[in-house]
Amino acid sequence: DGGITQSPKYLFRKEGQNVTLSCEQNLNHDAMYWYRQDPGQGLRLIYYSQIVNDFQKGDIAEGYSVSREKKESFPLTVTSAQKNPTAFYLCASSATGGSGNTIYFGEGSWLTVV
Amino acid sequence: SQKIEQNSEALNIQEGKTATLTCNYTNYSPAYLQWYRQDPGRGPVFLLLIRENEKEKRKERLKVTFDTTLKQSLFHITASQPADSATYLCALMNSGYSTLTFGKGTMLLVSP
Repeated sequence: DGGITQSPKYLFRKEGQNVTLSCEQNLNHDAMYWYRQDPGQGLRLIYYSQIVNDFQKGDIAEGYSVSREKKESFPLTVTSAQKNPTAFYLCASSATGGSGNTIYFGEGSWLTVV
Repeated sequence: SQKIEQNSEALNIQEGKTATLTCNYTNYSPAYLQWYRQDPGRGPVFLLLIRENEKEKRKERLKVTFDTTLKQSLFHITASQPADSATYLCALMNSGYSTLTFGKGTMLLVSP
């Protein structure tokens, strides 16, 4: 089936640790995105990438890092510099950015700091 | 400042009625607007897109209107069903930009 796969679904992080959330898509989409969702809040853009080996900061990039070495993969690392990382993280992709294409979302990853 | 506002209170309606959800925006010049459905603990799913030069779009029981003068979009679900219960998000693509900005969403509860 075509789609976006995020893993793990649930992740616990200790204070001071970096963790990496995986996102893989087999839709052959050029653009990929990471959003964060907190209870009662909308989706906030962390990073996005419109082409391999290139990515841009979104509205809340501090404390996060990404890479885009392959078209189908866009992993997100939550670093220890992110002061409040507990949230629901959503990866998404679209055929191209900014052209009215539908954004397809993965099922999300829950990150909890313990 | 730029804002996308959706009613934060849940909308409760009876099965069979029409649900109408509102999305208002400030200080945007949207090239288009999208509506998504999100179920608890799941990723949003795309429903409809409407462009700045379109007044209305329909898809089965769904209808979206877009009034750039009022800076508002309305999302209607006719003949609502309990299975329509979810949170509905509106999202704007500002002209000249390449990413969507989402509202906080409105929860719809359809009772049998």
